[in-house]
Amino acid sequence: DIQMTQSPSSLSASVGDSVTITCRASQGITNHLAWFQQKPGKAPKSLIYAASSLQSGVPSKFSGSGSGTDFTLTISSLQPEDFATYYCLHYNNYPLNFGGGTKVEIK
Amino acid sequence: EVQLVESGGGLVQPGGSLRLSCAASGFTFSDHYMDWVRQAPGKGPEWVARIRNKAKSYTTEYAASVKGRFTISRDDSKNSLYIQMSSLKTEDTALYYCARGLRDNSGYHYFDNLGQGTLVTVSS
Repeated sequence: DIQMTQSPSSLSASVGDSVTITCRASQGITNHLAWFQQKPGKAPKSLIYAASSLQSGVPSKFSGSGSGTDFTLTISSLQPEDFATYYCLHYNNYPLNFGGGTKVEIK
Repeated sequence: EVQLVESGGGLVQPGGSLRLSCAASGFTFSDHYMDWVRQAPGKGPEWVARIRNKAKSYTTEYAASVKGRFTISRDDSKNSLYIQMSSLKTEDTALYYCARGLRDNSGYHYFDNLGQGTLVTVSS
């Protein structure tokens, strides 16, 4: 199974800051990686697929990059609605696996 | 607008069974792979199962933690997805989401929209 390791597990940032979250796969997954945002009491929401393709309707402040084993999600100009938990997901083979999550909190 | 509405959750004793349903609308259900994803209280999401479409003979995939106990199925005439869960364990307690599969440009399938989930509690 391919394991996904996210870092950091949490971070504090201020409104207007930019933040970067990292996801590392235990083996190469080409670009078969997605990112999700989850707010308390809500279902995960898809942000990015294929490592860097923005899901329809997602603002361009979210960007993804990487291939192989190392991936990043960058959120620019944080707004109050961006404070949430973010998860990566690989879909390269079975089982699909999520990373452990990164909680983005207000400083 | 894509809508996925899960139902069928509830309280069940260890060793018991439960069948969850997901009613889909707003897209051509029969074209898509479909997934179940679950999330235990206070934990991250976990992929559970996938069923492919008719073109791929409705073949299925399962997480090791549920293989042999859970069965995913679909009824394209009803735009509905199901998961039959048996031999339930306390560790199966979670919010269960259905999710629509999408194909990326390289032909690999991820999922985008998830429903609001249905809660399954396994406890004596």
